[in-house]
Amino acid sequence: DTEVTQTPKHLVMGMTNKKSLKCEQHMGHRAMYWYKQKAKKPPELMFVYSYEKLSINESVPSRFSPECPNSSLLNLHLHALQPEDSALYLCASSQDPGRRSTDTQYFGPGTRLTVL
Amino acid sequence: GQQVMQIPQYQHVQEGEDFTTYCNSSTTLSNIQWYKQRPGGHPVFLIQLVKSGEVKKQKRLTFQFGEAKKNSSLHITATQTTDVGTYFCAGQAGNNRKLIWGLGTSLAVNP
Repeated sequence: DTEVTQTPKHLVMGMTNKKSLKCEQHMGHRAMYWYKQKAKKPPELMFVYSYEKLSINESVPSRFSPECPNSSLLNLHLHALQPEDSALYLCASSQDPGRRSTDTQYFGPGTRLTVL
Repeated sequence: GQQVMQIPQYQHVQEGEDFTTYCNSSTTLSNIQWYKQRPGGHPVFLIQLVKSGEVKKQKRLTFQFGEAKKNSSLHITATQTTDVGTYFCAGQAGNNRKLIWGLGTSLAVNP
């Protein structure tokens, strides 16, 4: 089973709102990722968690705050977003961060976010 | 910085024609992965290539990794309407976990 689930599927929020995106995997993967994807572009890496610790932050603005409560769950807390943050937010997971040269990432279906 | 160039950006074919997309990296890669994203969907992992000169087949899809581990191609034989989508290559260099993505090739198939 290579399934990564994400909720909600769609989210519309105002610039003053606080919301959270959720991601879950039950594949026993120990690395989890947040990506942002704009239309007709490849995914852009935002954050990487390895063994529940933040290992990569790609200089993401602080209005995006990741959290990894346990090895199966990954959240992305959103606050005071801008309209240009509207995008598809993708979660991914991979098996073993130590085996980086063959570490395939499996993507969830994404949350389509619109910021008004 | 490290880049992966992918061509063509768009390809429009008649059903039954063949299709190829190419990726070329500025640096040697430890592996390259291919993903397919249907319109409105998310990237779906197709295959990973690790060895120099590797060739792998999945039904009508043939994937190649160059001898120098800097380029790769995906070839689809006799396209079908179900092949429609954007095909991305993504490579990893050294022990860096971060994927370096090509810009994708969008494939449209006329029935």
